[in-house]
Amino acid sequence: DGGITQSPKYLFRKEGQNVTLSCEQNLNHDAMYWYRQDPGQGLRLIYYSQIVNDFQKGDIAEGYSVSREKKESFPLTVTSAQKNPTAFYLCASSIWNRYRGYTFGSGTRLTVV
Amino acid sequence: KNEVEQSPQNLTAQEGEFITINCSYSVGISALHWLQQHPGGGIVSLFMLSSGKKKHGRLIATINIQEKHSSLHITASHPRDSAVYICAVADSNYQLIWGAGTKLIIKP
Repeated sequence: DGGITQSPKYLFRKEGQNVTLSCEQNLNHDAMYWYRQDPGQGLRLIYYSQIVNDFQKGDIAEGYSVSREKKESFPLTVTSAQKNPTAFYLCASSIWNRYRGYTFGSGTRLTVV
Repeated sequence: KNEVEQSPQNLTAQEGEFITINCSYSVGISALHWLQQHPGGGIVSLFMLSSGKKKHGRLIATINIQEKHSSLHITASHPRDSAVYICAVADSNYQLIWGAGTKLIIKP
């Protein structure tokens, strides 16, 4: 079955360390997205990518970096510059040139101690 | 003011009650989504609507494009329906704008 795989589900890191969250899809979707969720708030867009080797900043890109070397993969790196990295991170994908909805991953809960 | 507003923020009900969660938005949309998030965090898409009404089991979603309003109803609610229900709209650029969610608790 096609879908999005995010790993790991839970991740713990020490303050000051960079950490990379994985997102892989086998849906042949063009566009991929990373969102961040904080308690009591709506999800916010970090980065998105419409095609391979291209990506755009979302509303809260500071302290994050991404790459899109393959259509299937869109990893997110939370750098030490991100002031409050502890959050729930959600990856999603969609067809870009016509709206057919989104497919969502199961998310990664990152805790920085 | 948020572009997507949900109400109520929290809702506690007894098993069997009819549940309504509301979503109002202020932007032009391509579609509206209702999603469910369980305590583990994973998000499941329930409905995608651009007009009218959809039903799946005990869940019903409606949308009024003119009034920019959507409702999610749960009939014969059950404790396993306890979750956070999230409304999200896809704007004219297909970008999702998310509501803050409604935390639903169904007591046995």
